[in-house]
Amino acid sequence: DTEVTQTPKHLVMGMTNKKSLKCEQHMGHRAMYWYKQKAKKPPELMFVYSYEKLSINESVPSRFSPECPNSSLLNLHLHALQPEDSALYLCASSPNRGQGDYGYTFGSGTRLTVV
Amino acid sequence: DAKTTQPPSMDCAEGRAANLPCNHSTISGNEYVYWYRQIHSQGPQYIIHGLKNNETNEMASLIITEDRKSSTLILPHATLRDTAVYYCIVTNQAGTALIFGKGTTLSVSS
Repeated sequence: DTEVTQTPKHLVMGMTNKKSLKCEQHMGHRAMYWYKQKAKKPPELMFVYSYEKLSINESVPSRFSPECPNSSLLNLHLHALQPEDSALYLCASSPNRGQGDYGYTFGSGTRLTVV
Repeated sequence: DAKTTQPPSMDCAEGRAANLPCNHSTISGNEYVYWYRQIHSQGPQYIIHGLKNNETNEMASLIITEDRKSSTLILPHATLRDTAVYYCIVTNQAGTALIFGKGTTLSVSS
């Protein structure tokens, strides 16, 4: 299995809702990442997990809460989001921190709309 | 990480070679050049990387100048499916997370 799987593919949520995005990989990668991408912009790094520990938080608002329950799974818990948080949320993984010989493997993303 | 400069857009005819340039004049000795692409509504995809030698794989070739201040990604026979945003990123291999610049939008037409 050489994929990063993200669910759901699409999500519409109200500003008072609580929802979670899920990311899964079975490549034995020990680093996992969340990115946010607005339309016609490059992906922006949000969080980095290395060996299941949070190692980078790019000053992301607390309404986004990451969780790494095990080495294969990465969640992003969402609460009290704003319409401007609507974006494509991308998950990625790599064998270790850094690019290595094969770069990152990205999922196809979750398209989030906050209403 | 060193900064990169890429043209915002390029066009290419189907079947022709697409040559995508990238300037990285402040690259450090231990930094690699990585290329990714992002097809519309998909996640970015790793293409190729190199340090100082030219590299080739099944997807593309990477030509790095001798002074390492610039590089060119070559898609030898572009197809319509190669239409995407191409990102050139300079980074070390250990520890530094991937940070994307604006990239080049390549449009391949028949």
